[in-house]
Amino acid sequence: QVQLVESGGGLVKPGGSLRLSCAASGFTFSDYYMSWIRQAPGKGLEWVSHISSGTFMYYADSVKGRFTISRDNAKNSLYLQMNSLRAEDTAVYYCAKDHDSGGNSAVDYWGQGTLVTVSS
Amino acid sequence: DIVMTQSPDSLAVSLGERATINCKSSQSVLYSSNNKNYLAWYQQKPGQPPKLLIYWASTRESGVPDRFSGSGSGTDFTLTISSLQAEDVALYYCQQYYSIPYSFGQGSKLEIK
Repeated sequence: QVQLVESGGGLVKPGGSLRLSCAASGFTFSDYYMSWIRQAPGKGLEWVSHISSGTFMYYADSVKGRFTISRDNAKNSLYLQMNSLRAEDTAVYYCAKDHDSGGNSAVDYWGQGTLVTVSS
Repeated sequence: DIVMTQSPDSLAVSLGERATINCKSSQSVLYSSNNKNYLAWYQQKPGQPPKLLIYWASTRESGVPDRFSGSGSGTDFTLTISSLQAEDVALYYCQQYYSIPYSFGQGSKLEIK
Protein backbone atom coordinates (compact mmCIF):
# COMPACT_ATOMS: atom_id res chain seq x y z
CA GLN A 1 0.00 0.00 0.00
CA VAL A 2 1.05 3.59 -0.52
CA GLN A 3 3.07 5.08 2.33
CA LEU A 4 4.50 8.55 2.69
CA VAL A 5 6.67 9.18 5.74
CA GLU A 6 7.94 12.66 6.46
CA SER A 7 10.90 13.52 8.65
CA GLY A 8 13.12 16.47 9.44
CA GLY A 9 10.76 18.78 11.26
CA GLY A 10 11.62 20.51 14.49
CA LEU A 11 12.25 23.80 16.26
CA VAL A 12 14.33 26.37 14.41
CA LYS A 13 15.09 30.04 15.00
CA PRO A 14 13.89 32.74 12.63
CA GLY A 15 16.30 33.01 9.73
CA GLY A 16 17.37 29.41 10.13
CA SER A 17 17.14 26.46 7.77
CA LEU A 18 15.60 23.02 7.79
CA ARG A 19 15.40 20.17 5.30
CA LEU A 20 12.32 17.99 5.19
CA SER A 21 12.34 14.52 3.68
CA CYS A 22 9.56 12.22 2.56
CA ALA A 23 10.13 8.51 1.99
CA ALA A 24 7.63 7.05 -0.45
CA SER A 25 6.68 3.43 -1.03
CA GLY A 26 3.93 1.30 -2.52
CA PHE A 27 3.78 3.00 -5.92
CA THR A 28 6.03 3.89 -8.85
CA PHE A 29 7.39 7.11 -7.38
CA SER A 30 8.96 8.40 -10.59
CA ASP A 31 5.59 8.38 -12.38
CA TYR A 32 3.91 10.96 -10.15
CA TYR A 33 4.11 14.64 -9.39
CA MET A 34 4.55 15.24 -5.66
CA SER A 35 3.68 18.16 -3.41
CA TRP A 36 4.33 19.75 -0.06
CA ILE A 37 1.22 21.17 1.59
CA ARG A 38 1.23 22.82 5.00
CA GLN A 39 -1.22 23.59 7.76
CA ALA A 40 -0.51 26.19 10.42
CA PRO A 41 -1.81 25.31 13.91
CA GLY A 42 -5.60 25.60 13.93
CA LYS A 43 -5.65 26.90 10.34
CA GLY A 44 -6.52 25.64 6.89
CA LEU A 45 -4.48 23.95 4.19
CA GLU A 46 -1.92 25.85 2.12
CA TRP A 47 -0.31 24.45 -1.02
CA VAL A 48 3.44 25.13 -0.80
CA SER A 49 5.28 23.46 -3.68
CA HIS A 50 4.94 20.90 -6.45
CA ILE A 51 7.46 18.96 -8.50
CA SER A 52 6.96 17.05 -11.72
CA SER A 53 8.17 13.51 -12.20
CA GLY A 54 11.23 15.12 -13.74
CA THR A 55 12.52 18.56 -12.83
CA PHE A 56 9.71 21.12 -13.17
CA MET A 57 9.17 22.88 -9.85
CA TYR A 58 6.44 25.25 -8.70
CA TYR A 59 6.12 27.37 -5.57
CA ALA A 60 3.62 29.46 -3.67
CA ASP A 61 4.56 33.13 -3.66
CA SER A 62 4.90 32.98 0.13
CA VAL A 63 7.91 30.64 -0.12
CA LYS A 64 9.38 31.45 -3.52
CA GLY A 65 13.09 32.20 -3.27
CA ARG A 66 13.34 30.64 0.20
CA PHE A 67 12.20 27.04 -0.29
CA THR A 68 13.49 24.49 -2.79
CA ILE A 69 11.69 21.27 -3.65
CA SER A 70 13.60 18.32 -5.05
CA ARG A 71 13.27 14.59 -5.52
CA ASP A 72 15.47 11.55 -5.90
CA ASN A 73 13.58 8.98 -7.95
CA ALA A 74 16.27 6.36 -7.32
CA LYS A 75 15.66 6.70 -3.57
CA ASN A 76 11.88 7.21 -3.82
CA SER A 77 12.31 10.38 -1.83
CA LEU A 78 10.97 13.92 -1.85
CA TYR A 79 12.67 16.86 -0.15
CA LEU A 80 11.97 20.42 0.88
CA GLN A 81 14.91 22.68 1.69
CA MET A 82 13.63 25.60 3.73
CA ASN A 83 15.85 28.64 4.22
CA SER A 84 15.31 32.06 5.80
CA LEU A 85 12.51 30.63 7.90
CA ARG A 86 9.94 32.94 9.40
CA ALA A 87 7.45 32.58 12.26
CA GLU A 88 4.66 32.36 9.70
CA ASP A 89 6.24 29.20 8.27
CA THR A 90 5.28 27.37 11.48
CA ALA A 91 3.04 24.51 10.39
CA VAL A 92 2.61 20.81 9.90
CA TYR A 93 4.13 20.00 6.52
CA TYR A 94 2.52 17.19 4.56
CA CYS A 95 4.09 15.23 1.74
CA ALA A 96 1.41 14.45 -0.84
CA LYS A 97 1.08 12.30 -3.96
CA ASP A 98 -0.91 13.21 -7.04
CA HIS A 99 -3.87 10.99 -7.85
CA ASP A 100 -3.06 11.01 -11.58
CA SER A 101 0.29 11.09 -13.34
CA GLY A 102 1.07 14.10 -15.51
CA GLY A 103 0.18 16.97 -13.18
CA ASN A 104 -3.03 18.96 -12.62
CA SER A 105 -4.37 16.33 -10.28
CA ALA A 106 -6.01 16.00 -6.90
CA VAL A 107 -3.98 14.52 -4.04
CA ASP A 108 -4.87 10.96 -3.16
CA TYR A 109 -2.29 10.16 -0.48
CA TRP A 110 -0.91 12.28 2.33
CA GLY A 111 1.77 11.57 4.87
CA GLN A 112 1.10 12.03 8.56
CA GLY A 113 2.98 15.32 8.49
CA THR A 114 6.01 16.77 10.24
CA LEU A 115 5.80 19.83 12.49
CA VAL A 116 8.05 22.79 11.81
CA THR A 117 8.16 25.44 14.52
CA VAL A 118 9.97 28.70 13.87
CA SER A 119 10.54 30.55 17.11
CA SER A 120 13.30 32.28 19.02
CA ASP B 1 -4.41 33.29 -8.49
CA ILE B 2 -7.72 31.48 -8.02
CA VAL B 3 -9.42 32.16 -4.70
CA MET B 4 -11.66 29.42 -3.28
CA THR B 5 -14.46 30.44 -0.92
CA GLN B 6 -16.49 27.92 1.02
CA SER B 7 -19.84 28.37 2.73
CA PRO B 8 -20.86 28.00 5.42
CA ASP B 9 -17.79 28.14 7.66
CA SER B 10 -19.57 25.76 10.01
CA LEU B 11 -22.81 23.81 10.05
CA ALA B 12 -24.63 21.51 12.42
CA VAL B 13 -26.84 18.79 10.98
CA SER B 14 -28.89 16.08 12.64
CA LEU B 15 -27.92 12.44 12.21
CA GLY B 16 -29.53 11.00 9.11
CA GLU B 17 -30.17 14.41 7.60
CA ARG B 18 -28.56 15.97 4.53
CA ALA B 19 -25.49 18.18 4.81
CA THR B 20 -24.49 20.57 2.05
CA ILE B 21 -21.27 22.54 1.69
CA ASN B 22 -20.66 25.03 -1.08
CA CYS B 23 -17.46 26.09 -2.78
CA LYS B 24 -17.02 28.99 -5.17
CA SER B 25 -13.93 29.70 -7.25
CA SER B 26 -12.94 33.21 -8.33
CA GLN B 27 -12.57 31.97 -11.91
CA SER B 28 -13.72 28.92 -13.79
CA VAL B 29 -11.89 25.66 -13.13
CA LEU B 30 -13.57 23.96 -16.09
CA TYR B 31 -11.08 23.03 -18.81
CA SER B 32 -13.02 23.26 -22.05
CA SER B 33 -10.83 20.88 -24.04
CA ASN B 34 -11.73 17.88 -21.86
CA ASN B 35 -14.87 19.23 -20.14
CA LYS B 36 -13.43 18.43 -16.72
CA ASN B 37 -13.73 20.55 -13.60
CA TYR B 38 -10.41 20.59 -11.72
CA LEU B 39 -12.01 20.54 -8.28
CA ALA B 40 -11.52 18.17 -5.35
CA TRP B 41 -13.07 17.73 -1.91
CA TYR B 42 -11.21 16.52 1.16
CA GLN B 43 -12.26 15.47 4.65
CA GLN B 44 -9.99 16.08 7.64
CA LYS B 45 -10.54 14.70 11.12
CA PRO B 46 -8.63 16.01 14.16
CA GLY B 47 -5.02 14.91 14.26
CA GLN B 48 -5.20 13.29 10.84
CA PRO B 49 -4.11 14.30 7.36
CA PRO B 50 -6.84 15.15 4.84
CA LYS B 51 -8.54 12.36 2.94
CA LEU B 52 -9.60 12.65 -0.69
CA LEU B 53 -13.36 12.25 -1.13
CA ILE B 54 -14.18 13.62 -4.58
CA TYR B 55 -12.13 14.63 -7.62
CA TRP B 56 -13.06 16.03 -11.04
CA ALA B 57 -15.86 17.72 -9.03
CA SER B 58 -18.07 14.63 -8.98
CA THR B 59 -15.98 11.44 -9.10
CA ARG B 60 -15.99 9.60 -5.80
CA GLU B 61 -12.62 8.25 -4.69
CA SER B 62 -12.41 4.49 -4.25
CA GLY B 63 -13.69 3.39 -0.86
CA VAL B 64 -15.62 6.58 -0.13
CA PRO B 65 -19.21 5.85 0.94
CA ASP B 66 -21.84 6.68 -1.65
CA ARG B 67 -23.59 9.08 0.73
CA PHE B 68 -20.88 11.55 -0.34
CA SER B 69 -21.45 13.24 -3.68
CA GLY B 70 -20.07 16.23 -5.53
CA SER B 71 -21.73 18.45 -8.09
CA GLY B 72 -21.34 21.72 -9.92
CA SER B 73 -19.36 23.17 -12.79
CA GLY B 74 -17.37 26.23 -13.72
CA THR B 75 -17.20 28.29 -10.55
CA ASP B 76 -19.86 26.82 -8.24
CA PHE B 77 -19.60 23.46 -6.56
CA THR B 78 -21.35 21.50 -3.83
CA LEU B 79 -20.43 18.61 -1.56
CA THR B 80 -23.47 16.75 -0.30
CA ILE B 81 -23.66 14.13 2.42
CA SER B 82 -27.05 12.52 1.89
CA SER B 83 -27.53 11.01 5.34
CA LEU B 84 -25.16 12.26 8.01
CA GLN B 85 -23.38 9.67 10.11
CA ALA B 86 -21.53 10.34 13.36
CA GLU B 87 -18.20 9.54 11.71
CA ASP B 88 -18.72 12.38 9.19
CA VAL B 89 -17.95 15.02 11.82
CA ALA B 90 -14.90 16.70 10.35
CA LEU B 91 -13.52 19.66 8.47
CA TYR B 92 -14.14 19.70 4.74
CA TYR B 93 -12.01 21.50 2.17
CA CYS B 94 -12.40 22.12 -1.52
CA GLN B 95 -9.32 22.58 -3.72
CA GLN B 96 -8.79 23.69 -7.28
CA TYR B 97 -6.01 22.03 -9.26
CA TYR B 98 -6.71 23.91 -12.48
CA SER B 99 -3.82 26.33 -12.12
CA ILE B 100 -0.86 26.88 -9.83
CA PRO B 101 -0.99 27.81 -7.01
CA TYR B 102 -3.42 24.96 -6.27
CA SER B 103 -5.58 26.76 -3.72
CA PHE B 104 -7.85 25.45 -1.00
CA GLY B 105 -11.02 26.84 0.46
CA GLN B 106 -10.88 28.01 4.08
CA GLY B 107 -12.65 24.88 5.32
CA SER B 108 -16.13 24.09 6.60
CA LYS B 109 -16.64 22.50 10.00
CA LEU B 110 -19.40 19.91 10.14
CA GLU B 111 -20.91 18.99 13.50
CA ILE B 112 -23.86 17.00 14.77
CA LYS B 113 -26.93 18.94 15.87
